[in-house]
Amino acid sequence: QSVLTQPPSVSGAPGQRVTISCTGTNADYDVHWYQHVPGTAPKLLMYGNTNRPSGVPDRFSGSKSGTSASLAISGLQADDEADYYCQSYDSDLNDSWVFGGGTKLTVV
Amino acid sequence: QVQLVESGGGVVQPGRSLRLSCAASGFSFSAYAIHWVRQAPGKGLEWVAVIGSNGVNKYYADSVKGRVSISRDNSKNTLYLQMNSLRPEDMAVYYCARDGGWQKYFDYWGQGTLVTVSS
Repeated sequence: QSVLTQPPSVSGAPGQRVTISCTGTNADYDVHWYQHVPGTAPKLLMYGNTNRPSGVPDRFSGSKSGTSASLAISGLQADDEADYYCQSYDSDLNDSWVFGGGTKLTVV
Repeated sequence: QVQLVESGGGVVQPGRSLRLSCAASGFSFSAYAIHWVRQAPGKGLEWVAVIGSNGVNKYYADSVKGRVSISRDNSKNTLYLQMNSLRPEDMAVYYCARDGGWQKYFDYWGQGTLVTVSS
């Protein structure tokens, strides 16, 4: 069972906007997001709650408030279909890096 | 560009040992902490272990503590994960990932190596 809680799946049509929630985060630490297409290397999508690495389009945005965070994807595209994971740090849990259970995004 | 390439995975019987490697290139390996993260079949990502840039500081997930040892050879730009007393629940794709710094994230990942634990 994952420390952080995400919905198992979300879906949207091309061009639409979807959000993925991540609850149970430590309020003292930032939340980060990864995109993972099975069989490939996970990719950093968002760090420090709201920051996009170079090359990540501004269709992706992140936010955090208290112990909850969310990732929003606007203008959905077919190649956004992937698994999305939130991640944070928990000093109360034996100094561990922790993940959410992952959310499967389907572009219908 | 930053590259991390894992190797050493394979089929191993329960109770046996296996050593994974992660070859790094495209950045100053000795300046970064590096992690191992795994994904069991049908499951999400799970952090396994981290080693500091100089190889002194090491931290492990409770699920592997006492059975796994992380190490590195900065002269060879290579990270290792020695796994002993393997259990069926250790079966997973193992990724190495570079530490992103004080904000505690992973900025680059390898493609992973599959460890299958089966008799």
